[in-house]
Amino acid sequence: GDSVTQMEGPVTLSEEAFLTINCTYTATGYPSLFWYVQYPGEGLQLLLKATKADDKGSNKGFEATYRKETTSFHLEKGSVQVSDSAVYFCALSDRKGGKLIFGQGTELSVKP
Amino acid sequence: GAVVSQHPSRVICKSGTSVKIECRSLDFQATTMFWYRQFPKQSLMLMATSNEGSKATYEQGVEKDKFLINHASLTLSTLTVTSAHPEDSSFYICSAARTVNTEAFFGQGTRLTVV
Repeated sequence: GDSVTQMEGPVTLSEEAFLTINCTYTATGYPSLFWYVQYPGEGLQLLLKATKADDKGSNKGFEATYRKETTSFHLEKGSVQVSDSAVYFCALSDRKGGKLIFGQGTELSVKP
Repeated sequence: GAVVSQHPSRVICKSGTSVKIECRSLDFQATTMFWYRQFPKQSLMLMATSNEGSKATYEQGVEKDKFLINHASLTLSTLTVTSAHPEDSSFYICSAARTVNTEAFFGQGTRLTVV
């Protein structure tokens, strides 16, 4: 079945460092790909998404490109802030949304 | 727009009792709602998909008699954990979508602790 694999955390960075969180997927067909962020004690917020190959999703300085050839959707940010500390989930859907399959999540901690 | 509210945000109940969690779409009509469970420091696992006016579809391994899901209106779905036990303690999150093929919006989650 479909699945998502993320790099394990926790990831600890200093403020203004470059961030990459790797995400690869296995799916039949052409899934939509998502990154969600979960702040402590809260639900999930959609960070960005891409619905077809070579699409780039971006939001709040984060971006990720849907790479069909490498089945990847890595999350990047050029300069992280303390406020970016959270758990990040990569997810896929075999439709444009709705039912999601999540990766295991990557905890990011940004130190001042 | 697209706000989903879950209630309660935290609940503590005694073993053997039942607890109901509500998921409401506040500013849109949701024909489909999803219920996920999240264990500490782990990913979200889909428990079931509910469609308004019909029976929920449960994922493999989820006990439908223990986790009762009702989606009686286009703005409300409920998850009832029956005869709760400590192993049911978890973070439960719902999401709601206008249709099964469109983006789902997440509630803030409910922390259930069974003592």
